[in-house]
Amino acid sequence: DAGVTQSPTHLIKTRGQHVTLRCSPISGHKSVSWYQQVLGQGPQFIFQYYEKEERGRGNFPDRFSARQFPNYSSELNVNALLLGDSALYLCASSQGAGLYNEQFFGPGTRLTVL
Amino acid sequence: AQKITQTQPGMFVQEKEAVTLDCTYDTSDQSYGLFWYKQPSSGEMIFLIYQGSYDEQNATEGRYSLNFQKARKSANLVISASQLGDSAMYFCAMREGILTGGGNKLTFGTGTQLKVEL
Repeated sequence: DAGVTQSPTHLIKTRGQHVTLRCSPISGHKSVSWYQQVLGQGPQFIFQYYEKEERGRGNFPDRFSARQFPNYSSELNVNALLLGDSALYLCASSQGAGLYNEQFFGPGTRLTVL
Repeated sequence: AQKITQTQPGMFVQEKEAVTLDCTYDTSDQSYGLFWYKQPSSGEMIFLIYQGSYDEQNATEGRYSLNFQKARKSANLVISASQLGDSAMYFCAMREGILTGGGNKLTFGTGTQLKVEL
């Protein structure tokens, strides 16, 4: 079975631009979460979606938005990019949205903002 | 206060030796889960082991075991018989329960870089 997939793998943008990152969860998984990992730090929670509804939001500005599609894939959008948005963006999927659902991570999208 | 604290930025261990990676946590929830992930240089987070707050026995998964001391709020990872392929960044993470709006949100520590030497 295919694991969590993310696209693109690498991306270079300039300040002020907009970016869309994509994630396909493991087949049968209905929950997708997004994390930002700045170099040298642990991942920080951005969003969780379950059954196409937002279930959680981390401490990120409104420039960050996301959505989940009927096939449970997800997009993360970041507007007005800043240099500080340069990071590895990780997507994780799980079957459900609760405490005991194991999360499986994708390989990540490495975003560089110049 | 930090929710997850990993005080060892880097650790070295000889091949075939055991190593303990420290993790302490802070939560007011009674129901929570503790996780360890391995992150090689490729970037993907690989799940290693899980310990639930109500689990009475320490979790084990092959060469990985979790030394869970609830009263001390610590959840240290023990890797036995280290291998060269164990060299990676290791993250401790916590998922809190309903009282703190946990859901699927994982809170990560800053990680420990483990280097296994011949």
